[in-house]
Amino acid sequence: AQRVTQPEKLLSVFKGAPVELKCNYSYSGSPELFWYVQYSRQRLQLLLRHISRESIKGFTADLNKGETSFHLKKPFAQEEDSAMYYCALKGAGANSKLTFGKGITLSVRP
Amino acid sequence: GAGVSQTPSNKVTEKGKYVELRCDPISGHTALYWYRQSLGQGPEFLIYFQGTGAADDSGLPNDRFFAVRPEGSVSTLKIQRTERGDSAVYLCASSSAANTGELFFGEGSRLTVL
Repeated sequence: AQRVTQPEKLLSVFKGAPVELKCNYSYSGSPELFWYVQYSRQRLQLLLRHISRESIKGFTADLNKGETSFHLKKPFAQEEDSAMYYCALKGAGANSKLTFGKGITLSVRP
Repeated sequence: GAGVSQTPSNKVTEKGKYVELRCDPISGHTALYWYRQSLGQGPEFLIYFQGTGAADDSGLPNDRFFAVRPEGSVSTLKIQRTERGDSAVYLCASSSAANTGELFFGEGSRLTVL
């Protein structure tokens, strides 16, 4: 079975503060991890994936297999980062589904 | 537009009625997914199609839920004998043949069962 846990429901920070959105997972094989984002009145969309190892909109996430974590980080939050963030896991295999966590609301205050 | 299209955007029905929700994926995407999202929850997997066949339907909650994709493009999610607990936003997503995990989502169909 595959499971994604996002332990916090809400994170509120001031503009310019660092952000860390936590994600832990449970999967017996080698997973692929993703962060999806939903801005107000927009569709759910992919933010980044661990395989790409890239920074998107200043966000990065490192897969830590020892701690089974994939936390999303940004050193200096911007107001436009305010959104719902979902961590997701895809198992091995071509037909493996994508499983989402419950999500966290990030609120960046001016 | 070239995005995933879902209709209707809103559906209000009475308990016990039958409902159909439609999804039109991005042209050329062979993988299609249905998710359900209740208030305060993340998207919950229902079913995944690769072409015309259901590759994984393990998320369908019971036999009142059924989905088809007869020509490998448009899909319909069908809910029989609706219950109040079926109220949620039903999300459809599609992805390329490679199933990279990059899903393109529609805006969802909000179902309310009175």
